[in-house]
Amino acid sequence: DQQVKQNSPSLSVQEGRISILNCDYTNSMFDYFLWYKKYPAEGPTFLISISSIKDKNEDGRFTVFLNKSAKHLSLHIVPSQPGDSAVYFCAANYDKVIFGPGTSLSVIP
Amino acid sequence: KAGVTQTPRYLIKTRGQQVTLSCSPISGHRSVSWYQQTPGQGLQFLFEYFSETQRNKGNFPGRFSGRQFSNSRSEMNVSTLELGDSALYLCASSLAASGTNTGELFFGEGSRLTVL
Repeated sequence: DQQVKQNSPSLSVQEGRISILNCDYTNSMFDYFLWYKKYPAEGPTFLISISSIKDKNEDGRFTVFLNKSAKHLSLHIVPSQPGDSAVYFCAANYDKVIFGPGTSLSVIP
Repeated sequence: KAGVTQTPRYLIKTRGQQVTLSCSPISGHRSVSWYQQTPGQGLQFLFEYFSETQRNKGNFPGRFSGRQFSNSRSEMNVSTLELGDSALYLCASSLAASGTNTGELFFGEGSRLTVL
């Protein structure tokens, strides 16, 4: 039973445009949602998080939106840069941190 | 400040053998979590240790076990290896236990296990 879902395995975006990565979850007990970024041969690194009592959090080019009624969150990257090419994992925390399967983002110069 | 260190980085084993992986967390971090990463499955939660106690365990068979020492270093062990155990095993540390903080984890680079 996958509690955190990322239905798009991959995404390609032109440099300078917006990248939107989506994530759905099933457990309403999650109180924090996070995005991690992973380059090949490296461990995941924390990118941005949002509390379940908020609907938006922004950090530079990265913004996360949370829609609790739809159990959906999204990560917006504006503008996208080639260095953003990586696998992005959505994660949710309650009593443990559960990760989605990831979305591979390619930003094309 | 040193990051999370995992050893060994790469290892090859044969079916039926056992393996032990080691993780040294960031200094001061008392929580250590282990994850298995396979293609298409993302990061599957194995277990979390906090102050030498297992707080949580994922949906893995009993062949997967772990422990944490008083200095917060952790080991995980997989016995009777199967081909399907081939994966990247990631260790992550945090100051506090998951569920008591935001869930921000600091990951090591992982141990790549290949079972032949």
